[in-house]
Amino acid sequence: DGGITQSPKYLFRKEGQNVTLSCEQNLNHDAMYWYRQDPGQGLRLIYYSQIVNDFQKGDIAEGYSVSREKKESFPLTVTSAQKNPTAFYLCASSPVAAYNEQFFGPGTRLTVL
Amino acid sequence: ILNVEQSPQSLHVQEGDSTNFTCSFPSSNFYALHWYRWETAKSPEALFVMTLNGDEKKKGRISATLNTKEGYSYLYIKGSQPEDSATYLCAFSDGGSQGNLIFGKGTKLSVKP
Repeated sequence: DGGITQSPKYLFRKEGQNVTLSCEQNLNHDAMYWYRQDPGQGLRLIYYSQIVNDFQKGDIAEGYSVSREKKESFPLTVTSAQKNPTAFYLCASSPVAAYNEQFFGPGTRLTVL
Repeated sequence: ILNVEQSPQSLHVQEGDSTNFTCSFPSSNFYALHWYRWETAKSPEALFVMTLNGDEKKKGRISATLNTKEGYSYLYIKGSQPEDSATYLCAFSDGGSQGNLIFGKGTKLSVKP
């Protein structure tokens, strides 16, 4: 089955710890994205990557880091520098053309204790 | 700062009612307008990608129109069913930033049987 997987579904972290969220796609898409959702807000772009070994900051990149070593994988690390990490995180991918629809994973809910 | 507004924030209708909601976006530098449906506990799924002024798209009982000159899109659902209950997101792209999407906060639709 083609699609995007994110793991884990729920994640709990102690304050001050880094944590990495996984995102894998087997759709052969070039572009991948990380979004954050907070209550009452729209999806906000954290980081995106149009091609392997290249990525760009989105609107709210502070306190996050990513890597794109393989086309299929785009892990997101939430660092201790992120002041309000508790949120719902969505990963998406799309063919590289700008107007193509994005395909979303099921999301990871991160809670900082 | 580019802003995408959706109204209403939430909507409660009876099964069989037809309904519509609005997405407003910047009318300058328009590139594409996306509609997504996000059911609870599932991933957002693309409904439509619209690129031309006057575009009308239809998928079953759901249709959408686009006015790029005045900066709005309408989503219509004819004869709402309980399975239409979801949050409907619109997202705007101005073609810059490599076509990244700016999302509205969504309209949450609840259809009562």
